[in-house]
Amino acid sequence: EPEVTQTPSHQVTQMGQEVILRCVPISNHLYFYWYRQILGQKVEFLVSFYNNEISEKSEIFDDQFSVERPDGSNFTLKIRSTKLEDSAMYFCASSTGGGAFFGQGTRLTVV
Amino acid sequence: GNSVTQMEGPVTLSEEAFLTINCTYTATGYPSLFWYVQYPGEGLQLLLKATKADDKGSNKGFEATYRKETTSFHLEKGSVQVSDSAVYFCALSAFSGGYNKLIFGAGTRLAVHP
Repeated sequence: EPEVTQTPSHQVTQMGQEVILRCVPISNHLYFYWYRQILGQKVEFLVSFYNNEISEKSEIFDDQFSVERPDGSNFTLKIRSTKLEDSAMYFCASSTGGGAFFGQGTRLTVV
Repeated sequence: GNSVTQMEGPVTLSEEAFLTINCTYTATGYPSLFWYVQYPGEGLQLLLKATKADDKGSNKGFEATYRKETTSFHLEKGSVQVSDSAVYFCALSAFSGGYNKLIFGAGTRLAVHP
């Protein structure tokens, strides 16, 4: 069964450092998303991406965040200068326009 | 705007008990509705979905019916197992601006004891 894959599964970084979270969506999907979940809290929308551009972004997705689909298969989330409050699980998802399929997540810990 | 409200947890049940987790929504237009499950330490798995009024989604013994008149999508299971212990998220997807975006409820933690 096709699945969304994310790497790494866990990333520890120092405050102020840049991180790139990687995702490989399901191959025939057209819509791509990043969500995050701070430990024990709700799943929050960050950004959606379609046709090689951002469709919508939340207020969380400020200038420190960017997304890219560099080669037609990968979908990346970059945080330029991490803050302690960026510590969370980050989930990538993809869809054909209906229910989305999620990756297993990357646990980002900022120290 | 679009939103999802779920009953607060945790819900604690004995094995073989009947489960209901309430979910109501607010949406413009005609959203699709979903239940996702998150097992400890894992990602979000799509459990079931319904795309129009009166549809019933079902999977692994879980069911939910899309009720437009009450704007609800309650999750039910007749006999829960210990392995059903997880966090359950209700979500809606409304097509807007040319794409879909999932909006999640806060999640309901289910703990099933032997």
